[in-house]
Amino acid sequence: GDSVTQTEGLVTVTEGLPVKLNCTYQTTYLTIAFFWYVQYLNEAPQVLLKSSTDNKRTEHQGFHATLHKSSSSFHLQKSSAQLSDSALYYCALTPRSGTYQRFGTGTKLQVVP
Amino acid sequence: NAGVIQTPRHKVTGKGQEATLWCEPISGHSAVFWYRQTIVQGLEFLTYFRNQAPIDDSGMPKERFSAQMPNQSHSTLKIQSTQPQDSAVYLCASSNLNTGQLYFGEGSKLTVL
Repeated sequence: GDSVTQTEGLVTVTEGLPVKLNCTYQTTYLTIAFFWYVQYLNEAPQVLLKSSTDNKRTEHQGFHATLHKSSSSFHLQKSSAQLSDSALYYCALTPRSGTYQRFGTGTKLQVVP
Repeated sequence: NAGVIQTPRHKVTGKGQEATLWCEPISGHSAVFWYRQTIVQGLEFLTYFRNQAPIDDSGMPKERFSAQMPNQSHSTLKIQSTQPQDSAVYLCASSNLNTGQLYFGEGSKLTVL
């Protein structure tokens, strides 16, 4: 079956410093799309990034991620964390078109002054 | 354009009682998904509908959980004989499936005493 692994439950980073949230996956399908969702406190999860192209960098709102099929990874990074980035981040994959998305357990990002 | 609407936002039930949660998807979206969110498990897939037809309910606890989509404008998730372990935030999402991106509602927080 499919699985998404986010190894860190909580990541704390100082404002202005770089941050990296890890995401690895296992899937038996070849046609897949990957997403990062962000959920701010008391809000709905919303998509942050999407990618289905191997080795292509995707960017949005200062965050970026590159899908690496060779290492089964889709890590999320930002060069300079902001206080407003504090939120819960989910990595997800859609194994094939027209089916449900499989989510990781989520990583809470805490940006401190 | 209104987003996904979920009601009630909060529901408290006693052990053994029934709980029904409602979801109104975004108009024009062909797919509706139900997820359960907990700190330990993250976002767990429960079931989904495409064009009102049930497609995959592999995540549903079979005995007490049921979901329906009687028309294109709403879906319900019913939990019979609620147990304390059912306490969670239940999230509904809709998608037009072409992009694969999910649009989530703000969730219904169920507390079973």
